[in-house]
Amino acid sequence: DGGITQSPKYLFRKEGQNVTLSCEQNLNHDAMYWYRQDPGQGLRLIYYSQIVNDFQKGDIAEGYSVSREKKESFPLTVTSAQKNPTAFYLCASKDTFLEGYTFGSGTRLTVV
Amino acid sequence: RKEVEQDPGPFNVPEGATVAFNCTYSNSASQSFFWYRQDCRKEPKLLMSVYSSGNEDGRFTAQLNRASQYISLLIRDSKLSDSATYLCAAPWGGATNKLIFGTGTLLAVQP
Repeated sequence: DGGITQSPKYLFRKEGQNVTLSCEQNLNHDAMYWYRQDPGQGLRLIYYSQIVNDFQKGDIAEGYSVSREKKESFPLTVTSAQKNPTAFYLCASKDTFLEGYTFGSGTRLTVV
Repeated sequence: RKEVEQDPGPFNVPEGATVAFNCTYSNSASQSFFWYRQDCRKEPKLLMSVYSSGNEDGRFTAQLNRASQYISLLIRDSKLSDSATYLCAAPWGGATNKLIFGTGTLLAVQP
């Protein structure tokens, strides 16, 4: 079945450590997105990519980095510069012609 | 004004009740909108798309009011399984490839 796979489901980060969240899709979607969800704040866009080898900053890109070397993959790195990284991270993809996103099941990141 | 705004609730309703949520948006150029359902600690799942003609799917009806710049979601004959957070989403800055989400409305259907 086609879909989006995020891993790991839970991730613990130590202070000052970089961590990378994986997002893979086999839907053949061109566009991919990373959102962060905090309680009471809804989903906020971190980065998005419309095509391979191209990506754009969203509303809260500081402290994050991405790459889009393959159509299927859009990993997100949470760097040590992100001072409050504890959140639920959601990856999504979108077909060029269909409306709406398909979301992965999310990664819950906690700083320890 | 926020780009997309929702009443966070919670909406506590008895089984069988009809409940309606509204979501206001600020970009008058937006053409399409979306309702997502999110269960606790899960990802959002697309419930309905909303265009100028509205949309109906079983017990769920979504409408668009361009004059007042809001979309609505009506749930008839509420079930316990409808308990969830309902998120609305609109294109960001008019571009259809990016969505901005409201903070969600929590619905709790009581037995």
